[in-house]
Amino acid sequence: EAGVTQFPSHSVIEKGQTVTLRCDPISGHDNLYWYRRVMGKEIKFLLHFVKESKQDESGMPNNRFLAERTGGTYSTLKVQPAELEDSGVYFCASSPWEGLETQYFGPGTRLLVL
Amino acid sequence: DQQVKQNSPSLSVQEGRISILNCDYTNSMFDYFLWYKKYPAEGPTFLISISSIKDKNEDGRFTVFLNKSAKHLSLHIVPSQPGDSAVYFCAAKGSQGGSEKLVFGKGMKLTVNP
Repeated sequence: EAGVTQFPSHSVIEKGQTVTLRCDPISGHDNLYWYRRVMGKEIKFLLHFVKESKQDESGMPNNRFLAERTGGTYSTLKVQPAELEDSGVYFCASSPWEGLETQYFGPGTRLLVL
Repeated sequence: DQQVKQNSPSLSVQEGRISILNCDYTNSMFDYFLWYKKYPAEGPTFLISISSIKDKNEDGRFTVFLNKSAKHLSLHIVPSQPGDSAVYFCAAKGSQGGSEKLVFGKGMKLTVNP
């Protein structure tokens, strides 16, 4: 069974540009989560989808971040316009409807905003 | 306000000995706890978990202990192997408002010396 995949693995952009990150969850997983780790700090929750609906977006830092999950399969996280403080590693995780407790993480996208 | 704390940034042990990783939490609403292991440039990998109704869960060389009164959990690895060298994250989840978000500690780097 394929794990959670994320694209791209790395992205270097300039301040003010737009970046779109993609996450493909494990097949059949209804729950999809986005997290972010800023250098040296803890991994922090951004938002949670159940299928195509946003269940919890309390961790989204501001309105420059837009997440979508059209069709309830893969998800995208767009940052527009990017700021220096957006640099970090963005992780996606998924879990099945049964057994919500364990979330399985992707390898992350390393974003550097210059 | 950090709700999950891993106060020791690093631990070094000899191969074959026991590794004990500690984690403290402040939110009494947390009812599920997880340990993740992370290698450089990879996403967190689920290791073991425990529900708040239990005080111990064992899986092979890994055992997690939960002391609810002290709001403390620990991960024991016996015997430690060089391949266990990684960063370990403690995470917690609560049922507050139906949120399934994980709250992470800052992580602790374990080095197992041959």
